[in-house]
Amino acid sequence: KNEVEQSPQNLTAQEGEFITINCSYSVGISALHWLQQHPGGGIVSLFMLSSGKKKHGRLIATINIQEKHSSLHITASHPRDSAVYICAVRNFGNEKLTFGTGTRLTIIP
Amino acid sequence: DVKVTQSSRYLVKRTGEKVFLECVQDMDHENMFWYRQDPGLGLRLIYFSYDVKMKEKGDIPEGYSVSREKKERFSLILESASTNQTSMYLCASTLGGRGNEQFFGPGTRLTVL
Repeated sequence: KNEVEQSPQNLTAQEGEFITINCSYSVGISALHWLQQHPGGGIVSLFMLSSGKKKHGRLIATINIQEKHSSLHITASHPRDSAVYICAVRNFGNEKLTFGTGTRLTIIP
Repeated sequence: DVKVTQSSRYLVKRTGEKVFLECVQDMDHENMFWYRQDPGLGLRLIYFSYDVKMKEKGDIPEGYSVSREKKERFSLILESASTNQTSMYLCASTLGGRGNEQFFGPGTRLTVL
């Protein structure tokens, strides 16, 4: 079973700061997902990646397959970025995801 | 836009009651999932269905059953609800095949008294 660890568990930053959230996993994967969950529960998929780097607006996700590590970066952070960010991995030959416990991000105006 | 809906946002039930949680997706997805989410534990897979009438146990199936009679609908059943089943329940669906993202419903917060 893949073990997925996220750090930090909680992060508070000032508006405008550059944010980095980390995810590491123990077994090789076919894909890694970054998800966002706002208060109230709904989860939205931000990125799905298996190599390299993806960018969407102020969000950037990178993955290093050899290191079994991924990072989610937020540039010019804003209070509306406050949410829980969840990393999830898919093992080879499997539709199921294994989830990290999430990083709670709070951006202060 | 893919839409995954769940029958209730909040539900309060008593110990021993039979509880049905319904999930419907409108994009003809093959795969559907039921998760529960608890503080400090993250999302854990209860059951997974890859086709109509097909199901597979996840990591924590005990105390739950599922039904998928139609492709768009996946039901989670608590045969006899217990207080330790108080949780947030999330449904998700995906088209299937490699590298497809999961689309989540809004969640049902279930409280068992």
